[in-house]
Amino acid sequence: EVQLVESGGGLVQPGRSLKLSCAASGFTFSNYYMAWVRQAPTKGLEWVASITNSGGSTYYRDSVKGRFTISRDNAKSTLYLQMDSLRSEDTATYYCTRENYGSYYVMDAWGQGASVTVSS
Amino acid sequence: DIQMTQSPHSLSASLGETVSIECLASEGISNYLAWYQQKPGKSPQLLIYYASSLQDGVPSRFSGSGSGTQYSLKISNMQPEDEGVYYCQQGYKYPYTFGAGTKLELK
Repeated sequence: EVQLVESGGGLVQPGRSLKLSCAASGFTFSNYYMAWVRQAPTKGLEWVASITNSGGSTYYRDSVKGRFTISRDNAKSTLYLQMDSLRSEDTATYYCTRENYGSYYVMDAWGQGASVTVSS
Repeated sequence: DIQMTQSPHSLSASLGETVSIECLASEGISNYLAWYQQKPGKSPQLLIYYASSLQDGVPSRFSGSGSGTQYSLKISNMQPEDEGVYYCQQGYKYPYTFGAGTKLELK
């Protein structure tokens, strides 16, 4: 069974940093792209960042470019999202997702989500 | 960025009814279109990929169609467990974008 388990969420002041982790199991992690998708309270889904299976290429939405860094450790089957210079508009539930390029670039597995609140 | 315009914003359906949700892309996306269902307090789940391919384990009453810029999700024989919010998403190019969502309720 595919499992994605996020950790590292919490309350953080504007301008500070936070790092999310996602432990993957039930599939060969190094064969898949991975992505972070977020959802602000009562809002819709918003893609944040993606990383190729080797980690050699990364992609970001403009609003987080230069502030967030997606990375992975294939030996540990773990995905990360380093979030720096956080803003109130980054408040959201962050979902770790498996990005299946074999199924035409869809998110075919989702974690339970990690809540991030940016507030003073 | 590719804009995904989803309609309607909300709808209600009776048990056994058939409903459709539309998604319009601001440019052609070559069927790189997925549909997700999100139930309250839960993570989204993939229903349809590549516009019309049914994800494993998803009931056959869900179906997708479309091409170019226009796509739709059809739910036949509405069931209580189909209540939730439905999102379309284009995987044609980064940044991936989602529709605003359609809230489906049982009448």
